[in-house]
Amino acid sequence: DQQVKQNSPSLSVQEGRISILNCDYTNSMFDYFLWYKKYPAEGPTFLISISSIKDKNEDGRFTVFLNKSAKHLSLHIVPSQPGDSAVYFCAASEGSNYQLIWGAGTKLIIKP
Amino acid sequence: NAGVTQTPKFQVLKTGQSMTLQCAQDMNHNSMYWYRQDPGMGLRLIYYSASEGTTDKGEVPNGYNVSRLNKREFSLRLESAAPSQTSVYFCASSERARGNTGELFFGEGSRLTVL
Repeated sequence: DQQVKQNSPSLSVQEGRISILNCDYTNSMFDYFLWYKKYPAEGPTFLISISSIKDKNEDGRFTVFLNKSAKHLSLHIVPSQPGDSAVYFCAASEGSNYQLIWGAGTKLIIKP
Repeated sequence: NAGVTQTPKFQVLKTGQSMTLQCAQDMNHNSMYWYRQDPGMGLRLIYYSASEGTTDKGEVPNGYNVSRLNKREFSLRLESAAPSQTSVYFCASSERARGNTGELFFGEGSRLTVL
């Protein structure tokens, strides 16, 4: 049973517009969430994270929103650029647990 | 700056053969990890090493063994490969393991096919 779900396998967005990637989780004990970005034939690279004590974290064009009551987080990319085309993974961890639980990923395609 | 280096990048094995995936990091990180990624699934942790000299099982350890050779190197061994082990394997490292793992740094991946 997947504890972290990314229900959209792919998303297509026009260059310059906002990209919104969604992630849902089932374990209410998760308290730290991360987004990673992955290009083909490369390993994932860290993008942005958020602790459960916050509901928003921003880094340049990237903002992550956390809604604990809905067990939902989202990644906003504004404005979207061609280089943002990649697979995006959300991941979560619980307290002192070493293990990250990963979603299956969403492939983002930025159209010129 | 090499970061995390995995070898080999590609490997084809026959069922029952053995092989070792090598991983080295040059960031002086304490913790290292082996993940596998299968189509339509997120990354799943096979084994991790919180610090030199320690290793622990992750979510899917069956069929694998690991060795933390020193602080830099963490290898993953398949003793008797099975078709179910066909996957892309990623090695990663981080400064710490407990609490928020913080940023993981990944290698480029090793694509393994077991026939």
